[in-house]
Amino acid sequence: GEDVEQSLFLSVREGDSSVINCTYTDSSSTYLYWYKQEPGAGLQLLTYIFSNMDMKQDQRLTVLLNKKDKHLSLRIADTQTGDSAIYFCAEARGGFKTIFGAGTRLFVKA
Amino acid sequence: NAGVMQNPRHLVRRRGQEARLRCSPMKGHSHVYWYRQLPEEGLKFMVYLQKENIIDESGMPKERFSAEFPKEGPSILRIQQVVRGDSAAYFCASSPDRNNSPLHFGNGTRLTVT
Repeated sequence: GEDVEQSLFLSVREGDSSVINCTYTDSSSTYLYWYKQEPGAGLQLLTYIFSNMDMKQDQRLTVLLNKKDKHLSLRIADTQTGDSAIYFCAEARGGFKTIFGAGTRLFVKA
Repeated sequence: NAGVMQNPRHLVRRRGQEARLRCSPMKGHSHVYWYRQLPEEGLKFMVYLQKENIIDESGMPKERFSAEFPKEGPSILRIQQVVRGDSAAYFCASSPDRNNSPLHFGNGTRLTVT
């Protein structure tokens, strides 16, 4: 299919790790992105990974890429209430078209 | 603020009226993308433009919707004869080139059709 797929909801306790999963469809996609959307705002680029990498770490964020299974994950360590938002996985296809998943709503309980 | 600027932030239109949404890309960016986000859904690609050219409009409805990115001034997304189903958040993004550079988003225009 054409869709980038994500689970819709995730709830974690403050201080725990959050893992948001995504499957994409185009094996030729060169970049895969994670964006964050807070209420009433646009999308903010969190991190991205090039398709020839398996892992990328950036402070509390760890991105894992399994090209064989077309599976991407975002791990947020020590999740805080300020991390509550919608997280979008996206793949860059065909030179310019970026395709987004439906977003995972992360709820962080204090 | 050198980010992507969209206006208005909120737009209310009655059925049958026209909606005009404006987007100024980031400084130095000449590629503009419009996405639509329906409530509780992800972003759907609508159209990709470079200055004075529409590159891909495969995601845009064939009727009532049009987009332009003139040589001077912002990109405009125009929706004629709006219907209730057009109510959504419309996001503009820009990039410096077409080589899969990350998109930078504006804060969106929330269109409500009454």
